[in-house]
Amino acid sequence: GAVVSQHPSRVICKSGTSVKIECRSLDFQATTMFWYRQFPKQSLMLMATSNEGSKATYEQGVEKDKFLINHASLTLSTLTVTSAHPEDSSFYICSARDKKAGTSPNEQFFGPGTRLTVL
Amino acid sequence: AQSVTQLGSHVSVSEGALVLLRCNYSSSVPPYLFWYVQYPNQGLQLLLKYTSAATLVKGINGFEAEFKKSETSFHLTKPSAHMSDAAEYFCAVSPPNSGNTPLVFGKGTRLSVIA
Repeated sequence: GAVVSQHPSRVICKSGTSVKIECRSLDFQATTMFWYRQFPKQSLMLMATSNEGSKATYEQGVEKDKFLINHASLTLSTLTVTSAHPEDSSFYICSARDKKAGTSPNEQFFGPGTRLTVL
Repeated sequence: AQSVTQLGSHVSVSEGALVLLRCNYSSSVPPYLFWYVQYPNQGLQLLLKYTSAATLVKGINGFEAEFKKSETSFHLTKPSAHMSDAAEYFCAVSPPNSGNTPLVFGKGTRLSVIA
């Protein structure tokens, strides 16, 4: 099956620093990747949709200057949390859609998530 | 616009008992429907999906779901719960050929299994 990796799996940083999270599709090409944020015991909150080679589309209420998304290739998207603060602490999950959607139409393959803790 | 409602934020069953997690959808076109499972501190894993083929869909770990258009439902069932089934379950919906449109998720149902 399609595999999506995230790195790092866990990160602790000081307030004011920037943190980059990588999302990779390991065995398929992803035209579209999605970034979610999940608070404890809650559902996934879509932050942005990222398409290869173009600017990400952010959901309402998500600061694009704070959460920088880059989708430089068909297998890699990055989320950079700039000037992180304690309220940015959360579980961040990415997902990807296979460019060849024939056998898995509309399915999103999820990464294992990144736990960010800002002190 | 599409939406999903998961009835019951928390369901508790005894080991060996029937598991029933409810999902109702709202969609103006026949949708694609998905059930995902999430274990603590992990990403989401696909359990099963409905993409307009057979209405009874069998997934991994003994789970299955039936698409009922008349009831706009896609409930998830498993005949006999196992302790390892304890997790968070999410139902999701999308229109066919959705392109870049992300799945719309329900709020999730936490399943507890009692020994």
